[in-house]
Amino acid sequence: GENVEQHPSTLSVQEGDSAVIKCTYSDSASNYFPWYKQELGKGPQLIIDIRSNVGEKKDQRIAVTLNKTAKHFSLHITETQPEDSAVYFCAAEVTGGGNKLTFGTGTQLKVEL
Amino acid sequence: DGGITQSPKYLFRKEGQNVTLSCEQNLNHDAMYWYRQDPGQGLRLIYYSQIVNDFQKGDIAEGYSVSREKKESFPLTVTSAQKNPTAFYLCASSMPGNQPQHFGDGTRLSIL
Repeated sequence: GENVEQHPSTLSVQEGDSAVIKCTYSDSASNYFPWYKQELGKGPQLIIDIRSNVGEKKDQRIAVTLNKTAKHFSLHITETQPEDSAVYFCAAEVTGGGNKLTFGTGTQLKVEL
Repeated sequence: DGGITQSPKYLFRKEGQNVTLSCEQNLNHDAMYWYRQDPGQGLRLIYYSQIVNDFQKGDIAEGYSVSREKKESFPLTVTSAQKNPTAFYLCASSMPGNQPQHFGDGTRLSIL
């Protein structure tokens, strides 16, 4: 089955700096890659997603890049703010896999003032 | 507002007792999912259902059971066979075909 690895597990940045979280996946049949933000005691919220026919997608301060050849994708947050502090999860979905997502183990992002 | 409602937010179980976690969605989504979240392990899939009256085991289904009698409801029962049930349980729903999953705010289950 699909395996998703996520790095780093913790990330601390200064307010205004950029943050990058990286994920790799194992199944070349994966074609959908969402990113979720989870705040303490809450469920994950989708922040951006990308499909395999696109190499990059941007939404204001958030961008995701996908390299299908290398089987990795990354989340980029620019101009970080304290409210960006949360746990971020990447995930991958295999085509024809019953809409199942395989999640990475999460990155705890802390934005310091 | 459309969304997913999980209840209760906190649940306590005695040894040997079955408990049922509720998940209701009004997004008109076909598919629903249950995940278990433990510290440092991300989300692991317990069961999922792509259509009413049908469901499949996920990666960690042992000790759990589900039903899908209505499109909007997908309750999860944690049975006494689940030896380590203490965790944060998340329910999600989506439309089929590479569509985003929307999550509820979870139920935290603890053993007394």
